[in-house]
Amino acid sequence: DAKTTQPPSMDCAEGRAANLPCNHSTISGNEYVYWYRQIHSQGPQYIIHGLKNNETNEMASLIITEDRKSSTLILPHATLRDTAVYYCIVRVLGDSSYKLIFGSGTRLLVRP
Amino acid sequence: EAGVVQSPRYKIIEKKQPVAFWCNPISGHNTLYWYRQNLGQGPELLIRYENEEAVDDSQLPKDRFSAERLKGVDSTLKIQPAELGDSAVYLCASSRQDRGKTDTQYFGPGTRLTVL
Repeated sequence: DAKTTQPPSMDCAEGRAANLPCNHSTISGNEYVYWYRQIHSQGPQYIIHGLKNNETNEMASLIITEDRKSSTLILPHATLRDTAVYYCIVRVLGDSSYKLIFGSGTRLLVRP
Repeated sequence: EAGVVQSPRYKIIEKKQPVAFWCNPISGHNTLYWYRQNLGQGPELLIRYENEEAVDDSQLPKDRFSAERLKGVDSTLKIQPAELGDSAVYLCASSRQDRGKTDTQYFGPGTRLTVL
């Protein structure tokens, strides 16, 4: 299973962009990169996922390098409510379903 | 649309007592997952159901843990007897599988178990 590496913590100022990096150098060609976040005392919340192309939705943008060995989650205008643990996960395929293997994530603190 | 519902949200029991957690997945989601999250760590999969069938229970400690999803909708996770090390947050997630492709997993708020 491909593993991910994330910095344990980051911070950014409210209103600025938050760029959260993730390394997944052993990712396979058919594995997706998923991002979830977990706000204190809540379950993980799906943010975005991608295979090789950059993706954008109402929450964030996902930039995947051409060699697919790393990616960056971008929160364009961080708010205090974005303070959470962010998990970068590589999707493991098997039995037509998939298992999410969570690492320790990045604890993002958005400062007022 | 309602999300994944879990109850109770919090449970405190003494060791050796039994405990059960309930999960109602998102309507139409045929795949259901139970995860356990220890303090300061990411969630770890315990068991995965496709409809009524447990297709991956390799991480479920079968000596004391059991789970069921009788009608392919709601699910119950049970621990009997509970041990101190079982204190954790138990998360339920669901997803939709269509023609061999599985959609995104959506999580419930979790049940925080404290074993004294």
